[in-house]
Amino acid sequence: GEDVEQSLFLSVREGDSSVINCTYTDSSSTYLYWYKQEPGAGLQLLTYIFSNMDMKQDQRLTVLLNKKDKHLSLRIADTQTGDSAIYFCAEKVAGGGNKLTFGTGTQLKVEL
Amino acid sequence: EPEVTQTPSHQVTQMGQEVILRCVPISNHLYFYWYRQILGQKVEFLVSFYNNEISEKSEIFDDQFSVERPDGSNFTLKIRSTKLEDSAMYFCASSATYSGGAQETQYFGPGTRLLVL
Repeated sequence: GEDVEQSLFLSVREGDSSVINCTYTDSSSTYLYWYKQEPGAGLQLLTYIFSNMDMKQDQRLTVLLNKKDKHLSLRIADTQTGDSAIYFCAEKVAGGGNKLTFGTGTQLKVEL
Repeated sequence: EPEVTQTPSHQVTQMGQEVILRCVPISNHLYFYWYRQILGQKVEFLVSFYNNEISEKSEIFDDQFSVERPDGSNFTLKIRSTKLEDSAMYFCASSATYSGGAQETQYFGPGTRLLVL
C-alpha cells in the first residue's frame, strides 16, 4: 500500500532556505502535493507537482521530484517567521481512487 | 477566494452520543471528502462522495459513520454512538473533478475538533 514519510522537525534561521523532504513508496503516484497547517488551522494547499515533472517553481517555493528515488522536496527561499507551520506532503496514486495519502508532517520552526 | 467552511469549529460530546459535522464545499465542486487527524498522527482518508453516493471509503469508515448531502450546499458526516477513539480533527475537502489536472486538487476546510468524553 501507499506510505509517505517525512522527518518530524526542521529548524532554520529567518532568511535562510528551508528544505523539507518526503519519501513515498508507490511508484504509480500521479500528483504529489504540499499542504501547510498553521496552529489550530486547516490544511492550506501550497503547491503540487504532476509525476511527469521534475521541478516546479512558484515564487519562494520550489518543488523537486526524484522519481527514481521516490523523493519529493519542498524548498522555501528566504524563510520568514510566518512560514512556521507543519508541512504535509501527500500523494494521489493512479488506480487508488481519489484519496490522498499524507505523510506524518514536518514541523518547521523559523528562528530569528 | 472560494473556500471550504466547516461547523462547528469545536465539539465536545459524551461517549455514546451522535454527532453531525457540517461542511459547505466550494460551490462549483462536485466531489467531497472527509479526512480525520487523530492528535499526533497522520491525516487519514475516510470517505469520498459524488453524485449522492459514496465513491470510496477506507477501513475506518464503518457502519458507525455516514455521509449525506442534504441540500445543494451542505455535506455532513454523522458519527453514531461516538467512542473515545473518535476524538480527532475532522477535515472536509472538495474538488472540482475526480481526475484531470489541477481541477482534481482537493481544497480543505479548517476542520472540526471533536472531543469525546
